[in-house]
Amino acid sequence: RKEVEQDPGPFNVPEGATVAFNCTYSNSASQSFFWYRQDCRKEPKLLMSVYSSGNEDGRFTAQLNRASQYISLLIRDSKLSDSATYLCVVRPGGSYIPTFGRGTSLIVHP
Amino acid sequence: DTGVSQNPRHKITKRGQNVTFRCDPISEHNRLYWYRQTLGQGPEFLTYFQNEAQLEKSRLLSDRFSAERPKGSFSTLEIQRTEQGDSAMYLCASSGTSGGASADTQYFGPGTRLTVL
Repeated sequence: RKEVEQDPGPFNVPEGATVAFNCTYSNSASQSFFWYRQDCRKEPKLLMSVYSSGNEDGRFTAQLNRASQYISLLIRDSKLSDSATYLCVVRPGGSYIPTFGRGTSLIVHP
Repeated sequence: DTGVSQNPRHKITKRGQNVTFRCDPISEHNRLYWYRQTLGQGPEFLTYFQNEAQLEKSRLLSDRFSAERPKGSFSTLEIQRTEQGDSAMYLCASSGTSGGASADTQYFGPGTRLTVL
């Protein structure tokens, strides 16, 4: 089983839709969780950290479920500019080495 | 621009040649990472420095790969005797100096795209 698993998609949604991605991780000692966004042929950029209590940033909401070992990202009111690959990142406790998922591709169409 | 920079941005080489890439991290960051990314995959960890010390290397990093960070500032990644399978995007990232959530955030450079013919 891979350490961090994501559905590669693509998720094809119309503008204004709500879309959710899940990411599962295998290491129960994982301590830090993130979502990064990567545009085509560009470097990854931090979208948001994921906290135990869940967190929201505008149209984006991230949740962590430690019991089931998954994190989620919810995007409301999708914009064309949200089209990108969303990378799930997990870092175990006691290590500074994160593991990246393969990413989930989102395509928002008019 | 005070972000992470990488040079060159593109490199085309013939199989068997050696190549070297450079990464300049954000100046106050003491952690520096190298990753490799191929199409449709997430970045794969290669190696990690804290200041000038190389603290961890992935099993993916064969003996043809070597990385240095001699003064704890910029870093170089060298690939000797390149193979076609080395073709990928090589990404460098740096992160902060102290503990807490912000220290976990990695800032990536634009990458060096390597093509081995």
